[in-house]
Amino acid sequence: NAGVTQTPKFQVLKTGQSMTLQCAQDMNHEYMSWYRQDPGMGLRLIHYSVGAGITDQGEVPNGYNVSRSTTEDFPLRLLSAAPSQTSVYFCASSLTGTHYNSPLHFGNGTRLTVT
Amino acid sequence: EDKVVQSPLSLVVHEGDTVTLNCSYEVTNFRSLLWYKQEKKAPTFLFMLTSSGIEKKSGRLSSILDKKELFSILNITATQTGDSAIYLCAVEVRSGSEKLVFGKGTKLTVNP
Repeated sequence: NAGVTQTPKFQVLKTGQSMTLQCAQDMNHEYMSWYRQDPGMGLRLIHYSVGAGITDQGEVPNGYNVSRSTTEDFPLRLLSAAPSQTSVYFCASSLTGTHYNSPLHFGNGTRLTVT
Repeated sequence: EDKVVQSPLSLVVHEGDTVTLNCSYEVTNFRSLLWYKQEKKAPTFLFMLTSSGIEKKSGRLSSILDKKELFSILNITATQTGDSAIYLCAVEVRSGSEKLVFGKGTKLTVNP
């Protein structure tokens, strides 16, 4: 059982480049989300999805797009990378969107540096 | 604005010590409070609390919630070097769909 798988683990981009961070889960979870973690800032929600075909914005959505065409996959797209997007990105999933009865399972993260 | 504040931000102790980590919150519509442990990579789930005064326990770790005073504590007794990690507190807020608001974390270092 792989859980939540994120690729790549590390990425370096130049300002203005675009890329997609991949996230896949094999637990048949309905809820998936993307967080970024910056020193001294904790985890901040970027986008989330409560099921295939449904996405919504979190706390810090600007500069990112998501789509949810299947239950398993939830890619995060950076449209035009900026140094402010240098961060560690975590994908997380849970059985439902109500975390009191289905805690989040996190992937191992993608460390992104934008120069 | 929903807010979760953890204290202290960092803590250094010796093996065998007992530590208490704090999490206070101000949110519009509380649903639950969760604790996670983050070592090198992914945060892993520790506890979920919804009711005041009921202690959750797992080995040397325990946690309790006070919904009147709006805080939770995470206790670790007889600390070991393997307890070194960042401990994250998150509050689930009911707002249309549920969302989790995370604190900044407490970095615990346990020295031998």
